[in-house]
Amino acid sequence: GQNIDQPTEMTATEGAIVQINCTYQTSGFNGLFWYQQHAGEAPTFLSYNVLDGLEEKGRFSSFLSRSKGYSYLLLKELQMKDSASYLCAVRDLNAGKSTFGDGTTLTVKP
Amino acid sequence: DGGITQSPKYLFRKEGQNVTLSCEQNLNHDAMYWYRQDPGQGLRLIYYSQIVNDFQKGDIAEGYSVSREKKESFPLTVTSAQKNPTAFYLCASSIRQGEKLFFGSGTQLSVL
Repeated sequence: GQNIDQPTEMTATEGAIVQINCTYQTSGFNGLFWYQQHAGEAPTFLSYNVLDGLEEKGRFSSFLSRSKGYSYLLLKELQMKDSASYLCAVRDLNAGKSTFGDGTTLTVKP
Repeated sequence: DGGITQSPKYLFRKEGQNVTLSCEQNLNHDAMYWYRQDPGQGLRLIYYSQIVNDFQKGDIAEGYSVSREKKESFPLTVTSAQKNPTAFYLCASSIRQGEKLFFGSGTQLSVL
């Protein structure tokens, strides 16, 4: 099975940088996804890591360490529209399906 | 435009009633999924399907049923056996099983 932990809530200031952590314990690992979900809306894909290291995509970057069971999502130059929940999801090695963490609600303040 | 369509957006269920949530995709994706989301929580997998006429139980399948008669469609029935059905239901699809998910806009189900 999968056990995925994320902080419940975070607050940051517009223009700043914030790092959202995700730790996981899994019987089989085949990649990690990050999704963004605005209140009342569907999640949208942000990033996917399967190898160790940093993947950069504009203001958003995602990092993975498989040996530590750890990932983070880094958001730079925060904007008000970045206020949302950020969901970490681990892809199961055998079944090919993803298990989600409970998500981190980020509030960006002026 | 390609995408996933869920309907209805809001649904109310009476005691002892079965209700069906619709999910249609025109992305030509092989895999489809149903997730349940409770307030302040992440997504929990109900059922998933890799190909037509095949589906598997997820982590919380009790009280739910699905069918996959067409590649484009993956309806979810919430049966009267599901005693706590109030939640936000999300349908998703992926090119192949395990790939990144594309979500529909969701259905909020409430009990009268």
